[in-house]
Formats: sequence, C-alpha cells, structure tokens
Amino acid sequence: NAGVTQTPKFQVLKTGQSMTLQCAQDMNHNSMYWYRQDPGMGLRLIYYSASEGTTDKGEVPNGYNVSRLNKREFSLRLESAAPSQTSVYFCASSEAGTGSPDTQYFGPGTRLTVL
Amino acid sequence: GDSVTQMEGPVTLSEEAFLTINCTYTATGYPSLFWYVQYPGEGLQLLLKATKADDKGSNKGFEATYRKETTSFHLEKGSVQVSDSAVYFCALSDQGGGNKLTFGTGTQLKVEL
Repeated sequence: NAGVTQTPKFQVLKTGQSMTLQCAQDMNHNSMYWYRQDPGMGLRLIYYSASEGTTDKGEVPNGYNVSRLNKREFSLRLESAAPSQTSVYFCASSEAGTGSPDTQYFGPGTRLTVL
Repeated sequence: GDSVTQMEGPVTLSEEAFLTINCTYTATGYPSLFWYVQYPGEGLQLLLKATKADDKGSNKGFEATYRKETTSFHLEKGSVQVSDSAVYFCALSDQGGGNKLTFGTGTQLKVEL
C-alpha cells in the first residue's frame, strides 16, 4: 500500500498562475482533507470531503477550489496564485464518514512557493 | 470555536531526559484528542489518541491522559532518544460531521547526545 500520495512534491509559481495539487489514497477511505501548514500556525483545514460526491469548506477556503474526482482522488486547485498561498500543503484521508473520530493518514506534502 | 494551545518550542533535551509537552484545549461537547508527530521532511503520523475522559493513549513509550477537568492532554515520555527529534502536534476532533481536526501550532523537540 502506498497510503496517501501527493504530486508534485515541490512547485514554484508566479503570481496569477494556476495549478492543481493532486492527492490519491489506496486505503478505500471515505473522507479526504486538504490542509496548509505555515510556520507558527500549525495545520489549518482548507477543504474536506466527508464522502465521495461531497465537499465542504474548512477554516481557510478562500482562493482554493477542490474536486473529489472519485473515492480515491481529491484535488486542490489554485485559480490565481498569490504570495500568501506560499505554504506546505498536506492531503489526508480517514476511514470515517461523519460523526466518528478516526485517525487521519497524511501524505508527504507539497511545498509551494508563489513569487 | 474549538482551539488547541501547545507550549512553544523548541524544546531541547539531552538523551534519556524526561519529556513533557503541554497541551490544553477548548471545545464544546466531548472531543477526541490526538498527538501527531512530524519527522523532518515528512507528513504527519498519528502517535496516540484518546476518545473519552480519563483514557490514556500510549505508543512507542509516549503517553498522554485525557483530563476533562483541566481540559488537558499533556504528552510525556520517560526517556527520550535522539530519534524522537521531531515536531509534535496536539489536535482535537470535533463531534460534528466530517471528522475534522483542529491542530495546535506544534512543538519542536530536539534531543542531543
């Protein structure tokens, strides 16, 4: 099992450019999540998908869109990148659907720099 | 809203020293509590968890007890090793839909020989 995989590992964008971060999991998990990690702020939830076909906003959704393509894949899109979106992005998945505290499994992260 | 407060780092210890990383939380209801660890250049991985008051989570020599009366979940280890050097995150899971986690800011631990 590869667990949670993310591509790319590193990316440099110019302000205004767009890109999509890809995430896939092979654990047949129902729920998937996108977080950003910034120094001194821990991880903050951007968007999540409690189950296939549903997506919801997290704490910091502005400037991002997501797509739950199927049960395995959950992508994060930056339509017009800004320097404030320079961060490390983590995808995670968990088995639980709703209302059940369960372990989240994290990918290795994507380090994004916006110039 | 829910929040998690951790002690600021970095925490620097000698090998075999005793470790405590403090974590307190604010939440409505009865959240589940977690400690995640992030080794350099990697994603987060679950270290331990507790789902109700007075539960003790333990793994790899680390322990934490869910204290509802003090809203705390402090991480402890009796004898740290150089390989324990990492960033440790305390987190809570809400009881609403989506199994969402709220993280603390993380505490960096450095263990020296």
